Amino acid sequence: EDQVTQSPEALRLQEGESSSLNCSYTVSGLRGLFWYRQDPGKGPEFLFTLYSAGEEKEKERLKATLTKKESFLHITAPKPEDSATYLCALLKGSNYQLIWGAGTKLIIKP
Amino acid sequence: DVKVTQSSRYLVKRTGEKVFLECVQDMDHENMFWYRQDPGLGLRLIYFSYDVKMKEKGDIPEGYSVSREKKERFSLILESASTNQTSMYLCASSRDRDLFTFGSGTRLTVV
Repeated sequence: EDQVTQSPEALRLQEGESSSLNCSYTVSGLRGLFWYRQDPGKGPEFLFTLYSAGEEKEKERLKATLTKKESFLHITAPKPEDSATYLCALLKGSNYQLIWGAGTKLIIKP
Repeated sequence: DVKVTQSSRYLVKRTGEKVFLECVQDMDHENMFWYRQDPGLGLRLIYFSYDVKMKEKGDIPEGYSVSREKKERFSLILESASTNQTSMYLCASSRDRDLFTFGSGTRLTVV
C-alpha cells in the first residue's frame, strides 16, 4: 500500500539550531516528491519538487534532498519566521493523484 | 500575483443543510482540486477536474459533489451536511503536475 510518513510530528528548536525533517515513503511508480509550507489558517505554499534520487534543491535556509526511500528537509540556522507546518506529498501515476503526509509542525523559539 | 480565492474563510452550518463552497482561480489553469484537511490525517482528495464540465472522484467523494461550469470556478457541494464533514476545505489549481497553488481554505463547522 502506498504510504507517506513524516517525522517528527512536531519539532521545537532554538533560533539558529539547525535540524532536519523526514519524509519516508513506500510508493510504486513515484513521479515526484513535493515539499510545501503551511502557516496557520492558510493554504499550503509550494517550496520544492524533487524528481529523482540524489537530487537536491535549496531556497534560503532550506535544502531538500531525495533518496529512493525518503526525503529530508534540512533547515540551517532557522529563524522564528520559519515556524510553520511542513508537508510532503508524492505524485504517482499520471492522474494528478498526490499522496500527502500528515506534516511536521516546526516551532522556532527566539 | 496569481491567486486561488475561496469565498468563505469560516462557515457554520446545521446538520442536513446543503452547503456550497466556492473557489475561483485567475491563472487560467485547467486543473482544479478540492481537498479536506484534518489533524493527523494529511490532505485527502475529494474531487478534481481537469477541464470544464469534467470531474473525477478522489479518495473520499462520498457525501460531496462538484460543479465546474467555467474554467476559473470549481464548486464543492455538500448535499446534506453532517457533523463528520466538519473540517478545513482547501481548493487548489495547477497547470502542470508539479505546482499546485492553494487557496487560504474554508473552515467548515457543522452543528
